[in-house]
Amino acid sequence: EAGVAQSPRYKIIEKRQSVAFWCNPISGHATLYWYQQILGQGPKLLIQFQNNGVVDDSQLPKDRFSAERLKGVDSTLKIQPAKLEDSAVYLCASSTPREANTIYFGEGSWLTVV
Amino acid sequence: AQSVSQHNHHVILSEAASLELGCNYSYGGTVNLFWYVQYPGQHLQLLLKYFSGDPLVKGIKGFEAEFIKSKFSFNLRKPSVQWSDTAEYFCAVNAGYGGSQGNLIFGKGTKLSVKP
Repeated sequence: EAGVAQSPRYKIIEKRQSVAFWCNPISGHATLYWYQQILGQGPKLLIQFQNNGVVDDSQLPKDRFSAERLKGVDSTLKIQPAKLEDSAVYLCASSTPREANTIYFGEGSWLTVV
Repeated sequence: AQSVSQHNHHVILSEAASLELGCNYSYGGTVNLFWYVQYPGQHLQLLLKYFSGDPLVKGIKGFEAEFIKSKFSFNLRKPSVQWSDTAEYFCAVNAGYGGSQGNLIFGKGTKLSVKP
């Protein structure tokens, strides 16, 4: 079974530039998550989708971050404009009730803002 | 608000030593508890999880964890570590009844280095 796919794996941008990350969850997984992991910390949830609807985006900095999952499968996370403190790994994850909603993570997209 | 505390930032052990990583959480209701592992250069992988029932949970690769409700703890153990266990270990919790409800709260992680 294929895992959660993310791209790009690595990105370096200058502050105030924009960046977008793409995620393809495990086939059949209705729930998709984006987490932010800053160096030295555990992952923090940014946004959770159930199919193409947002379940929880309370920790998403909406002035600069946006995410969408238009067809209920792939998702895109965008940052515009980026700040130095956005340097982190952005993890996509997915889950399904058929597996007691166990969350499976992708390899992450490493962002460095300079 | 829920929080997770992992007591050790970095643990260094020799092969065959026993391992115990501490994890405490703060939440008054029913919780689901998880340990994830991240090997160098790889993604987070689920080691084990507790939803209900037997508080001693066995996971992959010989790991186990014990849920002690009165202590709000979910410590990870392994009787004899191997060099290949070198990784970062994350404890996580979410609120729910019998299944994950998303929004995992993670601890800061413990780096384990095993010397051959």
